[in-house]
Amino acid sequence: EAGVTQFPSHSVIEKGQTVTLRCDPISGHDNLYWYRRVMGKEIKFLLHFVKESKQDESGMPNNRFLAERTGGTYSTLKVQPAELEDSGVYFCASSSRRNGANVLTFGAGSRLTVL
Amino acid sequence: DAKTTQPPSMDCAEGRAANLPCNHSTISGNEYVYWYRQIHSQGPQYIIHGLKNNETNEMASLIITEDRKSSTLILPHATLRDTAVYYCIAGWGFKTIFGAGTRLFVKA
Repeated sequence: EAGVTQFPSHSVIEKGQTVTLRCDPISGHDNLYWYRRVMGKEIKFLLHFVKESKQDESGMPNNRFLAERTGGTYSTLKVQPAELEDSGVYFCASSSRRNGANVLTFGAGSRLTVL
Repeated sequence: DAKTTQPPSMDCAEGRAANLPCNHSTISGNEYVYWYRQIHSQGPQYIIHGLKNNETNEMASLIITEDRKSSTLILPHATLRDTAVYYCIAGWGFKTIFGAGTRLFVKA
């Protein structure tokens, strides 16, 4: 099966600009998650979709971040306006059940550099 | 998710078994133990998971203590390509706390 696809792989923007990251989960996976790793820090949960609904967005840092998943397929994460501290790698994952557990498959990530 | 504790780094000789420990003393009865790894800056890769019993798959074995407060990931014959950061996670696996992980260096 095709894996989780993220686009772009790397984006360089200036402070104040807008960037939209896209994630295509594995086909048929209802659960989709966004995470990010800021330089030198640990991977942190941002939010969780079940189909098109936001199940948990407790990890979203502030209202400059907007995630959508229209139609319950691919998802986008928009940062507007971007700040320097938003630089990092944004990972998307989708999940499947294996032996009763929720197993995540991650994409390769989108590296965001804000100058 | 429960808090986990792992050593920051470990070395292993190529071809030998790598045994990576993890402490998860606050794990609750219905929480799973998961292991993922991250090679360079790639996305984390699932390795194995378990609840109470020891598990084995094509990548690794997972040994969970009877009280479930700790576990060990075993890579039976480590190769240079196994050099990575290994994350032990105790929880349901979606609102996941990755922590700092263990950086495993496999040396020739």
